[in-house]
Amino acid sequence: AQSVTQLGSHVSVSEGALVLLRCNYSSSVPPYLFWYVQYPNQGLQLLLKYTTGATLVKGINGFEAEFKKSETSFHLTKPSAHMSDAAEYFCAVSDHRQAGTALIFGKGTTLSVSS
Amino acid sequence: ETGVTQTPRHLVMGMTNKKSLKCEQHLGHNAMYWYKQSAKKPLELMFVYNFKEQTENNSVPSRFSPECPNSSHLFLHLHTLQPEDSALYLCASSQGERLRRGPPYEQYFGPGTRLTVT
Repeated sequence: AQSVTQLGSHVSVSEGALVLLRCNYSSSVPPYLFWYVQYPNQGLQLLLKYTTGATLVKGINGFEAEFKKSETSFHLTKPSAHMSDAAEYFCAVSDHRQAGTALIFGKGTTLSVSS
Repeated sequence: ETGVTQTPRHLVMGMTNKKSLKCEQHLGHNAMYWYKQSAKKPLELMFVYNFKEQTENNSVPSRFSPECPNSSHLFLHLHTLQPEDSALYLCASSQGERLRRGPPYEQYFGPGTRLTVT
């Protein structure tokens, strides 16, 4: 069975500092991996995804993530945090039981950004 | 605005009530999903509809009953709920899948309905 573990339920950074949100996955088949962001009182929005090809994936709002098969990781980074990045972030892996539709999500990491 | 709307945004109901949540997508998609988001727990997939056919029921109690009358609308009918059912219920849509196995299409989420069961 596939699963996702997000290390750290809450991460705090200063504005301008590096953002690093950790995600490790478990999958018996090559995974499809995703990062979603949820702002207060809103639904989830796709930040970026890895399917095949280049292991460094760039997304919206300056975020990127690197797929590392040897470490079963897909950590999310951003070089310089903005106040507007404060939100909850979810890592997800595609559930291969379905024909490519269902996602399995981690518990989420809340990112706080201080000035 | 993602093109997926949900009503109502907030709902308070007693354990003996019957209510329905509504989701509508304006994106021309053919797959729709219900998720449950509880505090401190991962987002839980409840139901999947692909081209109006239910393709996933993730061991959801029968007090939750989905309905998908067409590709643009999805309902979640609620009856005799329990306090532990209080959560944010999210609807999502994506392009539909027909047999092909491969990378999933992007899911677009609505803002959710905050449900409180008293």
